[in-house]
Parts: sequence; structure tokens; C-alpha cells
Amino acid sequence: DVKVTQSSRYLVKRTGEKVFLECVQDMDHENMFWYRQDPGLGLRLIYFSYDVKMKEKGDIPEGYSVSREKKERFSLILESASTNQTSMYLCASSPPQGTSTEAFFGQGTRLTVV
Amino acid sequence: AQKITQTQPGMFVQEKEAVTLDCTYDTSDPSYGLFWYKQPSSGEMIFLIYQGSYDQQNATEGRYSLNFQKARKSANLVISASQLGDSAMYFCAMIGGSYIPTFGRGTSLIVHP
Repeated sequence: DVKVTQSSRYLVKRTGEKVFLECVQDMDHENMFWYRQDPGLGLRLIYFSYDVKMKEKGDIPEGYSVSREKKERFSLILESASTNQTSMYLCASSPPQGTSTEAFFGQGTRLTVV
Repeated sequence: AQKITQTQPGMFVQEKEAVTLDCTYDTSDPSYGLFWYKQPSSGEMIFLIYQGSYDQQNATEGRYSLNFQKARKSANLVISASQLGDSAMYFCAMIGGSYIPTFGRGTSLIVHP
């Protein structure tokens, strides 16, 4: 059974804290993605990675960074959390060069920054 | 660049009736896939159905079917015989030549008993 696991379901952090959101997949997928989801805005792409050590900016990278030291793990980092980063964060993975296979998602992390 | 448009923020349907959720897309890629996901209030994204750009027939998966009209660039989801458990957010998505899934803003479906 394929699986994408995010480290936390719910997280509450203080403004200015450095926040790490971890994502691990067991499908040996090359592609991994981080999205944030806000009401009325759908899923917006923050960063993505096609391979280990590789990362590319998505549509809304400001205030975020990522790390991919191992193929199965893709971490999202909020360098200095702000209240406007309160959101639902979704990690996904997919096989390489695939337009016919769906992306697989983790269960999501609801982050609140106070 | 690719874009997905879902124009219905919210939809209501009576239990056991059919409902159509609209999705239009824009891409210059010759080959692409179209996907629908369901997101219940618990937050997980559940894959429902896939349609390939070269598929001649509309995809079906149980009570879900995808009404694919390539010339109009539309990929509407049809849910037949709605159930209370179908109440959720529904997202249309596309994967094209960049292999990056692009999502619409979603449609909130409420099924009334």
C-alpha cells in the first residue's frame, strides 16, 4: 500500500520560530511537491523536487525553503514563521515523467502561527 | 503554463440525485492527464478518476464518470446517485509536460438528505 506520511497532523508555532514540516514517501518516487491550501484559493505550489538534492521554486516560495537530502524525504522549512503562513500544508509525490499516474498525498499538516 | 478553472465554489444536491462539477483547463502540452480528487473534512486527498488526453472514451469509476470534451477543454466530474458521504471538497487537477500537478480552487459539495 503506497504511502506518503507527514510528520504532524496539527502544529501550533509562535511568530518568528523556525518550523520544519517533514514528508516521507515509500514509493521510490522521484518527484515530490509541497502545496499550501487556503479556503477559496485551492492548492498552490510552494516548492518541488525532481530528484535528490534538487529543488525548484513553485508559485509561492517566499518565506519558505526546502531540503531533499534523501530520495524518500522532502522537508519544508519556514525560516521565520509569520501569521500569514497559517494554513494547511500538503505534501505529494509522483513517479518520474508521468502524466497518467496521480500524485499521492500525505494526510496534511494544519499549521497555526500565533 | 497550465491552468485549471473550477467556477462553482459550492454546490448542493439531493441524496440519490446526480450532480456535475465543472472543470475547464488550459495547456499547450499535447499530452496531459486530468484528475479529480475528493477532500473530506478530515483533510486527506482521495484520488477519484483519471482521463488521458488521448483517451477516446470517457473515464468511469463506479459512481464517478468524467465528461471529457477535448475541443472545449473541459473535464467535468459526474457523480451519479449522490450519497451523504459524498459531501466534501472536490478538486480538478492536471499533469502536463512539466509533470507538476496543477489544481483548481475546488468545489464544495453538500449532499442533502
